[in-house]
This record gives sequence, C-alpha cells and structure tokens, in this order.
Amino acid sequence: EDQVTQSPEALRLQEGESSSLNCSYTVSGLRGLFWYRQDPGKGPEFLFTLYSAGEEKEKERLKATLTKKESFLHITAPKPEDSATYLCAVQDPGSSNTGKLIFGQGTTLQVKP
Amino acid sequence: DVKVTQSSRYLVKRTGEKVFLECVQDMDHENMFWYRQDPGLGLRLIYFSYDVKMKEKGDIPEGYSVSREKKERFSLILESASTNQTSMYLCASSFPPQKTQYFGPGTRLLVL
Repeated sequence: EDQVTQSPEALRLQEGESSSLNCSYTVSGLRGLFWYRQDPGKGPEFLFTLYSAGEEKEKERLKATLTKKESFLHITAPKPEDSATYLCAVQDPGSSNTGKLIFGQGTTLQVKP
Repeated sequence: DVKVTQSSRYLVKRTGEKVFLECVQDMDHENMFWYRQDPGLGLRLIYFSYDVKMKEKGDIPEGYSVSREKKERFSLILESASTNQTSMYLCASSFPPQKTQYFGPGTRLLVL
C-alpha cells in the first residue's frame, strides 16, 4: 500500500537547537515529494518539491533532502517563528495525470525562546 | 504568485442546511481539489477535478458533491449538512506536470 509516514508526531526545540524531521514513503516509482508548512487555522504553504534521490533544496533555515526511501527536513538554528506543522506528501503513483497527493500526518514543531 | 481564495474563513450552519463552499484560483490551473482536515486524521481528499466539468471522487465523497463550471472555480456542496461535517475545509489547485498543490486559507465550518 502506498503510504507516507512522518516522525516524530511532535517536536519541541529550544531556539537555536538544530534538528531534523523525517518523512518515509512506500510508493513505487517516486514522481515527486512535497514539503509544506501549516500554521494553526491556515492552509498549508508550499515549501519544496524533490524529485530524485540525492536532491537537496534550501530556504532560509530549512533544508530538504531525499533518499530512495525517505526525506528529511533539516532545521538549522530554529527560531520561534518556525513553529508550525510540517506536512510531507508524495504524488500518488496511480494518478499521474490528476496530480493527487498522498499526505503524511505531519510533525508539529514548537520552538521555545 | 499563485493565489487560491475561499469564499469564507468561518461558517456556521444548521443541520440539514445546504452549504456551498467556493474556491477560486487565478493561475489557470487544470487541477483543483477539496480536502477536509480533522485533528488526528490529517488531510483527506473529498473530490477533485482535472478539467472543467470533470470530477472524480476522492477518499471520502459521501455527503458531498462538487461543481466545476469554469476553470478557475471549484465548488463543494454539502447537500444536507450534518454535525459530523464540522471540519476545516481546504481547497487546492495544481498545474500539470509539476503537481505542486497550492492551498487556499481554509474554511472552518461548524454545523450545529
């Protein structure tokens, strides 16, 4: 079964304490892995798309990496404003034309000052 | 910048009412999606559309219908609202082949 699993469910960090969020996936033939940030009561905001193992993308304190089985979202020296839920999704391999995504449950990050 | 807008941020309805949620995107995207998001259940796909007048059921279509008469607009209809449809509703759009979905701000619906 095609599946996306994120860990941990929740993460508390002190400001400046770097860490990583994990997204493992079991799909046949990855066609795209997506990271989103979601603030409470708002819609998810797109961060990154990764397509092939070894690919990396960066934005400010965030860096996303991809292997054949998982993706990591590395947060370097986080600030309180990085507190949010981070969602990972992969393209549903059974729907290449319609763009359906399979979402993980998310990791809720809290960064304390 | 891609912009996806939803007609209401908050909505309160009575059981049995017919409810319309509207979504508009301004980027000429082919694909549009409706999700609901509940604590502990994550994002669940209700319906999606890959072209005008074309629609497909997602994972939880029961109790919902959709309409896409124009490319930029995708409506979600709750034929007879029930309390178990109280949720956050999110609309998204994407343009093939990139597949990146862009989300609207969400509508928090409370059914009493």
